[in-house]
Amino acid sequence: QVQLQESGPGLVKPSGTLSLICTVSGGSFNNKDWWTWVRQSPGKGLEWIAEFLPNEKTYYNPSLKSRVTISVDKSRNQFSLKLTSLTAADTAIYYCARDHDYGGDTWAFDVWGQGTVVTVSS
Amino acid sequence: EIVLTQSPGTLSLSPGERAALSCRASQSVERNYLVWFQQRPGQAPRLLIYGASNRATGVPERFSGSGSGTDFTLTIDRLEPEDFAIYYCQQYSDSLWTFGQGTTVEIK
Repeated sequence: QVQLQESGPGLVKPSGTLSLICTVSGGSFNNKDWWTWVRQSPGKGLEWIAEFLPNEKTYYNPSLKSRVTISVDKSRNQFSLKLTSLTAADTAIYYCARDHDYGGDTWAFDVWGQGTVVTVSS
Repeated sequence: EIVLTQSPGTLSLSPGERAALSCRASQSVERNYLVWFQQRPGQAPRLLIYGASNRATGVPERFSGSGSGTDFTLTIDRLEPEDFAIYYCQQYSDSLWTFGQGTTVEIK
């Protein structure tokens, strides 16, 4: 059973860079499932950040694209998120999730990490 | 970008009653890409329904999804105490996932 766990700093400074890691256990990257980052803040609710299919495609939320980088380390069963030029508006709970292929061009985020709280403040 | 509007914002019901939650899209959404989640306090969202009407693994039969085009509904028959939570719809189009703002189902 696949499980996801986010890790990273809880506090980052304005104008700085946020780096988060998602560790996948109980499974590994395959050629079908995408892997995604979502954040949740009181002001903006749930917001999709980006997702990728390992070694193939990556899609970004246009509102964040200029500041986001996603990468994968298959040897460690991890993928990561980098978000630059931070402001208070980036304060949120950050989740990683699996975007599972149910077949027939049907997809959904079926496995989520527990989330990690990130506060942007000096 | 497709905007999802959920209504009502808050639904006050008693255990055993039926809940009907609406998700309206600003443009037509393909059924394959309409999803419902449940979120309890302090927890990550939990997948309930994918492809507009398919229950995810382990989801009780009292949860059902329906709809097409721009109007989708999540129905919960006979509310159980653990069903009082926030529910979100989500859609995918043009390489972008968007979420509704959520409906809170609270105990009356």
